[in-house]
Amino acid sequence: DGGITQSPKYLFRKEGQNVTLSCEQNLNHDAMYWYRQDPGQGLRLIYYSQIVNDFQKGDIAEGYSVSREKKESFPLTVTSAQKNPTAFYLCASSPGGTPLHFGNGTRLTVT
Amino acid sequence: DQQVKQNSPSLSVQEGRISILNCDYTNSMFDYFLWYKKYPAEGPTFLISISSIKDKNEDGRFTVFLNKSAKHLSLHIVPSQPGDSAVYFCAASVGGGSNYKLTFGKGTLLTVNP
Repeated sequence: DGGITQSPKYLFRKEGQNVTLSCEQNLNHDAMYWYRQDPGQGLRLIYYSQIVNDFQKGDIAEGYSVSREKKESFPLTVTSAQKNPTAFYLCASSPGGTPLHFGNGTRLTVT
Repeated sequence: DQQVKQNSPSLSVQEGRISILNCDYTNSMFDYFLWYKKYPAEGPTFLISISSIKDKNEDGRFTVFLNKSAKHLSLHIVPSQPGDSAVYFCAASVGGGSNYKLTFGKGTLLTVNP
């Protein structure tokens, strides 16, 4: 079955540690995205990539980094510079433009 | 500044009745709108979209209406079913469906009571 796999579903880290969230897709989509959702908030765009080896900052990129070395993979690193890293992180992909297809998310808790 | 607003955090309806979810936007450049449905601990699922050249789009029980002059769109679900209970997000983009960036509202929690 084609889809987007985010792992792990739950992730716990100590403050000051970097953590990398995995996102893999087998839909053969060119574009991939990372969104963040906080309680009672809409989804906010962190980074997106339209093609391999290229990515752009979204609306809230500070404290995050990404790479796109393979079409199937778009990992997100939450660095210690991110002030409020605890959130629900959603990865998405699309063949180009909308609509987006989302994974089931990773809930990151930093204490 | 919130460009896409869903002013009702929650909505409760009886099974079989109509559910109407509303969305307002402030950016007049938005020309493509989408609705997503989200269950707890899952990613959003695309439901239906509408381009600004239309004022209505229908897909089965789901219809989206767009009023450009009022900068308002609504999602109608008829008849509502208990399985429709979820959070519904309105989203918008500039540049039609080819734009990569979506702006989301905060969502409305729909509860359909049996």
